Amino acid sequence: GQQLNQSPQSMFIQEGEDVSMNCTSSSIFNTWLWYKQEPGEGPVLLIALYKAGELTSNGRLTAQFGITRKDSFLNISASIPSDVGIYFCAGQFTGANSKLTFGKGITLSVRP
Amino acid sequence: NAGVMQNPRHLVRRRGQEARLRCSPMKGHSHVYWYRQLPEEGLKFMVYLQKENIIDESGMPKERFSAEFPKEGPSILRIQQVVRGDSAAYFCASSLLPADQPQHFGDGTRLSIL
Repeated sequence: GQQLNQSPQSMFIQEGEDVSMNCTSSSIFNTWLWYKQEPGEGPVLLIALYKAGELTSNGRLTAQFGITRKDSFLNISASIPSDVGIYFCAGQFTGANSKLTFGKGITLSVRP
Repeated sequence: NAGVMQNPRHLVRRRGQEARLRCSPMKGHSHVYWYRQLPEEGLKFMVYLQKENIIDESGMPKERFSAEFPKEGPSILRIQQVVRGDSAAYFCASSLLPADQPQHFGDGTRLSIL
């Protein structure tokens, strides 16, 4: 089946730094989404991307839908301690086959 | 709270018992998805339902697992004769019509099998 690749598994940054995360796929998707999960909670939607090449921002977060439709990146600028969590990318087709395919996630740690 | 509601948050069962997990979608959402998450893994799709219909159950084991989303009431994921390998976090997500709107997740049910 389809697999989304996120690496590295963990990232450690200093507060105030920018960080970029990439997600690649062996398959084309119609929609890319980025979620953040904190311990004991469900994934929270950060950004949804619907068109190849689309660049979308949500506060300090910026994400892009790759031109090939097989990749996406998420950038967090000026990181703060509450950015700590696991960041998942997910790809989706539309219509009846609208399940999400998730990457394994990247655990982000922010040193004060 | 207008979000996706799941209960119970934690469920402990002994091997061979039945587990019932409930999910109430966001208000107005008629599409429900169930996912399973193992420790340090991403979420894996199990089943997609609309009211009274199963649309895609390709990710759900053929035996012991079933799901429903009745006309009235929450969606139910049912696991019969649980085994240790069923221990996981089970998440429900819902979306608006049409189905390609973003999915919003509940906080999950952590199932532990003794």
